[in-house]
Amino acid sequence: GENVEQHPSTLSVQEGDSAVIKCTYSDSASNYFPWYKQELGKGPQLIIDIRSNVGEKKDQRIAVTLNKTAKHFSLHITETQPEDSAVYFCAAFGNNRLAFGKGNQVVVIP
Amino acid sequence: DAGVIQSPRHEVTEMGQEVTLRCKPISGHDYLFWYRQTMMRGLELLIYFNNNVPIDDSGMPEDRFSAKMPNASFSTLKIQPSEPRDSAVYFCASSFRSGTGELFFGEGSRLTVL
Repeated sequence: GENVEQHPSTLSVQEGDSAVIKCTYSDSASNYFPWYKQELGKGPQLIIDIRSNVGEKKDQRIAVTLNKTAKHFSLHITETQPEDSAVYFCAAFGNNRLAFGKGNQVVVIP
Repeated sequence: DAGVIQSPRHEVTEMGQEVTLRCKPISGHDYLFWYRQTMMRGLELLIYFNNNVPIDDSGMPEDRFSAKMPNASFSTLKIQPSEPRDSAVYFCASSFRSGTGELFFGEGSRLTVL
């Protein structure tokens, strides 16, 4: 089945700087790549997604890029704010299953 | 809509006891998913339903785990007998689509088995 890996596991950034989280996937047939944000004590919430026919998508301060050849995709957060501190999960849909990465803890230092 | 509702939010039980976790999906969503979250393994899909029918239960760890969806507005995940290694946060999520659309997660049920 699909295997999704995320790097780095923990990321600390100064407020106002950018944060980048990278994920790799194994199934070349995967065609949908969402990103979820999980705040403490809550369930994950979708923040942005991208489909395989698009290379980049942007929504205000967040963007996602997809490289199908290399089978990796990245989340970019610009002008980070304290409320961006959370765990971020990438996922890939392939073989009729949505597989999640293990998550990245992002800490924004005021 | 109130979103996906799970209960209980916290459960502490002793090894060997039966545990039942409950979920009310968002009205109109045809898909319901049960996930387990641990530090070691992250978010694992246990089972999902489409129109109340179990479609893929290959993630259910063993026969001690069972899930039902008797109607479109209610699902249960049961562990009998429970073991300490079952300690985790269990999430229910619902969606319009099987996996290529937004999953709406509940706030989770934190289970501790002593």
